[in-house]
Amino acid sequence: ETGVTQTPRHLVMGMTNKKSLKCEQHLGHNAMYWYKQSAKKPLELMFVYNFKEQTENNSVPSRFSPECPNSSHLFLHLHTLQPEDSALYLCASSQDLGGRSEKLFFGSGTQLSVL
Amino acid sequence: GQQLNQSPQSMFIQEGEDVSMNCTSSSIFNTWLWYKQDPGEGPVLLIALYKAGELTSNGRLTAQFGITRKDSFLNISASIPSDVGIYFCAGQAISNTGKLIFGQGTTLQVKP
Repeated sequence: ETGVTQTPRHLVMGMTNKKSLKCEQHLGHNAMYWYKQSAKKPLELMFVYNFKEQTENNSVPSRFSPECPNSSHLFLHLHTLQPEDSALYLCASSQDLGGRSEKLFFGSGTQLSVL
Repeated sequence: GQQLNQSPQSMFIQEGEDVSMNCTSSSIFNTWLWYKQDPGEGPVLLIALYKAGELTSNGRLTAQFGITRKDSFLNISASIPSDVGIYFCAGQAISNTGKLIFGQGTTLQVKP
């Protein structure tokens, strides 16, 4: 149990669907992150939130829309995705941003397939 | 942009052997982290390093923060089958709070 829970674990969607990924952390952390993990590529940072405020958008296409209602919950809303968006989407949290506070704790991920 | 080069990409070793992998960056980092990812799971933090020259152990794992602050090493001694997985290095530059950069990963397979 890592303290970071992601749902669903697996998701198959068509290109015209709208779906959402959910992440919840039980660690009392203030920062939350979305990462994309594609086969044979390094983990790609997508978004960073600190105290519910977005601090980083790493040039992510607008078909990915994050939402952070509080420091414990993070969502990733998906619409009109492309097949190349198929990947493992990982949520992570850290105590704070910067230095020793930025040790990331990851969830198990959502394996997304776009048909 | 900043890049991390992690090597080797994959290793296939005999149980009981020692393993070494490393990461090098194009810029100076103030934090190095090492993670392990099992199939179907998210990465789990193994070791965190914050000072140049720092050497830290976690059981059979030992990691070092390079003196130049541009590299880090992870060693696994006396490997066992459960060491199988993908090992990632991650680093952060002083000026890039919130932007932890990950290496491409080293896939380790252990033959019993």
